[in-house]
Parts: sequence; C-alpha cells; structure tokens
Amino acid sequence: NAGVTQTPKFRVLKTGQSMTLLCAQDMNHEYMYWYRQDPGMGLRLIHYSVGEGTTAKGEVPDGYNVSRLKKQNFLLGLESAAPSQTSVYFCASSDPTGYKNIQYFGAGTRLSVL
Amino acid sequence: GQQVMQIPQYQHVQEGEDFTTYCNSSTTLSNIQWYKQRPGGHPVFLIQLVKSGEVKKQKRLTFQFGEAKKNSSLHITATQTTDVGTYFCAGRATTSGTYKYIFGTGTRLKVLA
Repeated sequence: NAGVTQTPKFRVLKTGQSMTLLCAQDMNHEYMYWYRQDPGMGLRLIHYSVGEGTTAKGEVPDGYNVSRLKKQNFLLGLESAAPSQTSVYFCASSDPTGYKNIQYFGAGTRLSVL
Repeated sequence: GQQVMQIPQYQHVQEGEDFTTYCNSSTTLSNIQWYKQRPGGHPVFLIQLVKSGEVKKQKRLTFQFGEAKKNSSLHITATQTTDVGTYFCAGRATTSGTYKYIFGTGTRLKVLA
C-alpha cells in the first residue's frame, strides 16, 4: 500500500503565482487534513475534511482553499502565493471509526515562495 | 482558541541520559496523541492516551496523561541515537465535535554519542 502520497515533493513559486498541492490516500479514510510546518511553530492545521464533498477551516486557513471531490483526494490551493507561505506542507488522513483515529502522514511538500 | 504548548523546544542529551518533554493544553482534552518525526521525515504515530491519569509504556518510552486531562508528558529512559527527532503531542478538545487535533510546538531531541 502506498498510504498517503503527496505531489509535488518540492516547488518554487514566485510571489503571486498559483499552484495546487495534491494529496491521495488509498486507505479509504474519511478524514483528511492539511498542515503546514514552520520552524518553532510545530504543525498547524490549515483545512480539513470529514468526508467527500465537505471541508472545514483549521487554525490558519487564510490564503488557502481546498477541495475534496473524491474521497481519496484532498487538494490544497494557493491562489496568489506570498513569501509567508514558504513552508513544508503535510497531508494526513485518518479513520474516525478506528479506536485510535491515527493520523497517517504523507512525505510532505517543500514550498518556497520568492 | 485551543492552544497546545510543549517544553522544552530543544534538548541535547548525551547517549544514555534520560529525556522528558511536557505538553500543556489551554483546554481540557478528550484524548492526546504523541507523534515522532525523524529529521527530514514525516510525523509517525506513537501512542494515544484517553483516560485521566493514564500511564502507558513502550519499551524505554513512558507516556502520562494528567489527572485534569490538560497536560501530558513523554519520558525516554537511557536515550539512544535512534531516538533523535522531534516529538509532538496532539490534543483533541472535549468541545470538538470532530476528530480535529491541535499539535503542540514540538520538542527537538538531539542525542550525542
């Protein structure tokens, strides 16, 4: 099993450009999450989804949009990238019916905005 | 909103020494999870604590959940170089209707051989 797959792994953008990060999971999980990780800030929740067709805001949603058109995919969009969005982005998925509701993370996308 | 703080932010220890990281939430938690992230890697689930005062052990790792369910700790006995990484706690508030977790700021552990 691939688990959680994120594409791309690295990306460099210029200020104002747009891009979409793709997260795909093959574990049939209902919940999916997008986090950003910055030095000293830990993992901060951007948006999450509790099922196909649903999305909700996390701690730091401004400047990002998401879509969950298919259960296995969760897309994170940056409409107009800013240097403050330079970060490592992690996607995760979990099964809320499972006893532990473990979050499984992808390998991450390292994004630089110049 | 809910905040989860961890201390210390960094810890350097000699191999064989013990290590402890503390996690404190601004709100009461229904449960808390711990994750480990190796350098350059992604977070990996270690354990979940649910009950007030709960203590769980995994080999050299001991996890505790506070009586008030607002704090937790991870203690590693006799650290090894394989323990290097960043340890995160993640708490789910009792008021949260969904499985949304707030991660702590993390403690980066460096073990000197």
